[in-house]
Amino acid sequence: AQRVTQPEKLLSVFKGAPVELKCNYSYSGSPELFWYVQYSRQRLQLLLRHISRESIKGFTADLNKGETSFHLKKPFAQEEDSAMYYCALKGTGRRALTFGSGTRLQVQP
Amino acid sequence: DADVTQTPRNRITKTGKRIMLECSQTKGHDRMYWYRQDPGLGLRLIYYSFDVKDINKGEISDGYSVSRQAQAKFSLSLESAIPNQTALYFCATMGHPYNEQFFGPGTRLTVL
Repeated sequence: AQRVTQPEKLLSVFKGAPVELKCNYSYSGSPELFWYVQYSRQRLQLLLRHISRESIKGFTADLNKGETSFHLKKPFAQEEDSAMYYCALKGTGRRALTFGSGTRLQVQP
Repeated sequence: DADVTQTPRNRITKTGKRIMLECSQTKGHDRMYWYRQDPGLGLRLIYYSFDVKDINKGEISDGYSVSRQAQAKFSLSLESAIPNQTALYFCATMGHPYNEQFFGPGTRLTVL
């Protein structure tokens, strides 16, 4: 079975502080990992995927297969980063994503 | 712009009523999904479909049914609504080959 764990329900930081949203997964094969974001009153949207190895809005995430983690990081948080963040996994041959329970990021001024 | 739309956006109903939530997409994607979102539980998959003849149960399909009327339409029904089905429901499509999901705006359902 595949599983995604986001241990923090809420992460509160001050503007300019570094941010790390944790995501751990359980899957025996080679997964695809994603981060989705949901801003207030907006629909979920893709933030980034591990295969792209890109930085979006200053966020990066590295897949660590040894630690089965895909943590989302940003060196300097901005108030507009405040949102709900979901980590998601797609297994080989699987036809749906498995989502974590989400972490609410609150960036205070 | 190609989009995923859901109707209604908000619905309040009573226990025992039959409810249908509708989803339409203009993205041309074959794969469509229904999720429910609950605080602290994230998104849980209810049903998904790869085409009009391919319908699959997700992790929490009990109490729900779906219909894929066409490539662009995927409806979710609650045959006899109960209060613990109060949630935010999202429809999504998935593109290929990049496996990115595109979500609708959500339907807030309250069962009294």
